[in-house]
Amino acid sequence: ELKVEQNPLFLSMQEGKNYTIYCDYSTTSDRLYWYRQDPGKSLESLFVLLSNGAVKQEGRLMASLDTKARLSTLHITAAVHDLSATYFCAVRDDKIIFGKGTRLHILP
Amino acid sequence: EAQVTQNPRYLITVTGKKLTVTCSQNMNHEYMSWYRQDPGLGLRQIYYSMNVEVTDKGDVPEGYKVSRKEKRNFPLILESPSPNQTSLYFCASSPGQGFPEAFFGQGTRLTVV
Repeated sequence: ELKVEQNPLFLSMQEGKNYTIYCDYSTTSDRLYWYRQDPGKSLESLFVLLSNGAVKQEGRLMASLDTKARLSTLHITAAVHDLSATYFCAVRDDKIIFGKGTRLHILP
Repeated sequence: EAQVTQNPRYLITVTGKKLTVTCSQNMNHEYMSWYRQDPGLGLRQIYYSMNVEVTDKGDVPEGYKVSRKEKRNFPLILESPSPNQTSLYFCASSPGQGFPEAFFGQGTRLTVV
């Protein structure tokens, strides 16, 4: 059974700090996705990672994928308040399985 | 504008009263799916469809039905809703199964009393 685990599930951090969200999964899939969800809103696709060693960056967010370790990371550089949201990773096998999400709160 | 449209956005109903949540996309996407989102559980896939007349169960299909008679529409049917189906539901679409769920609808908040 495919399992996707994110940690931490909750993260409160100061503006300007760096931090990393981890996404571990149990399948050999090389398709991993990151999403953002603002409170009361739908999900927005952030990154699509399709191969081992893939790295994508958008602004202060950088996602990477290590298929051998079955691990993806979402790194936040010099956090700003606007990045406060819940972040989900998802892995596609024959189905798509989402992690439980990381609720990120960035303090001004 | 490319979008996935769900209706209704909010619904309160009583146990056992059949309901349908509609989902429509205007991007000619082959792949569509339904999720429910519950606190502490993230998103769980209910059903998905790889193309017209092709549907398959996700992780939590019990109590739900779907149909895909046209490419653009993928309604979610609750034949006999129960309180444990109270949840936030999202429809999503993508160009194909190999692609991520690129577009999500705005969500339908369902309460079954």
